[in-house]
Amino acid sequence: DAKTTQPTSMDCAEGRAANLPCNHSTISGNEYVYWYRQIHSQGPQYIIHGLKNNETNEMASLIITEDRKSSTLILPHATLRDTAVYYCIVRAMYSGGGADGLTFGKGTHLIIQP
Amino acid sequence: DAGITQSPRHKVTETGTPVTLRCHQTENHRYMYWYRQDPGHGLRLIHYSYGVKDTDKGEVSDGYSVSRSKTEDFLLTLESATSSQTSVYFCANSPGGSPTYEQYFGPGTRLTVT
Repeated sequence: DAKTTQPTSMDCAEGRAANLPCNHSTISGNEYVYWYRQIHSQGPQYIIHGLKNNETNEMASLIITEDRKSSTLILPHATLRDTAVYYCIVRAMYSGGGADGLTFGKGTHLIIQP
Repeated sequence: DAGITQSPRHKVTETGTPVTLRCHQTENHRYMYWYRQDPGHGLRLIHYSYGVKDTDKGEVSDGYSVSRSKTEDFLLTLESATSSQTSVYFCANSPGGSPTYEQYFGPGTRLTVT
């Protein structure tokens, strides 16, 4: 799986959009970008994933650059409950099934300020 | 939603004793995983299962065994607990077999080996 680089920490004001960057310059053509987050003392939570098109769901938007070497997770209206460590993960999609583990790096500690 | 429960949620045990952690899913997902999370190491895959009685080793499998006799239950056993196995253990499942392969995590079990 390709390696990712994320800032160690970020602050964002409550109610504003939180934009979390991720660099994955060695991503290959069959690798997807996934985002997870982990709120303190809880299990990791899946947020969103994408291949090359921008994606949006009820939690967030994912913007992937045209060269796919970086992406940005956007939380449109951050709340205090969004304070968490956010992980950007790049992994290939195997045709035989999902029986391989996720590799979590250190992630970005996002702190939402009141 | 993972539909995952883990038991026990907290356990303190002594070195050398056997310990079994249980993961139960309400979904009928084929793939299930056990991870451990330690400061400075992130999440690391211990074992995973791709079906009833079908399991395989992950990155840090030494000292651990697993069993999956039913689709809904995935057990992690520490045959003889050591202090190095003090950690937070997360179970996850995945729909697999689909283009997404996102994983959904349970709430975790905090294990302390004294």
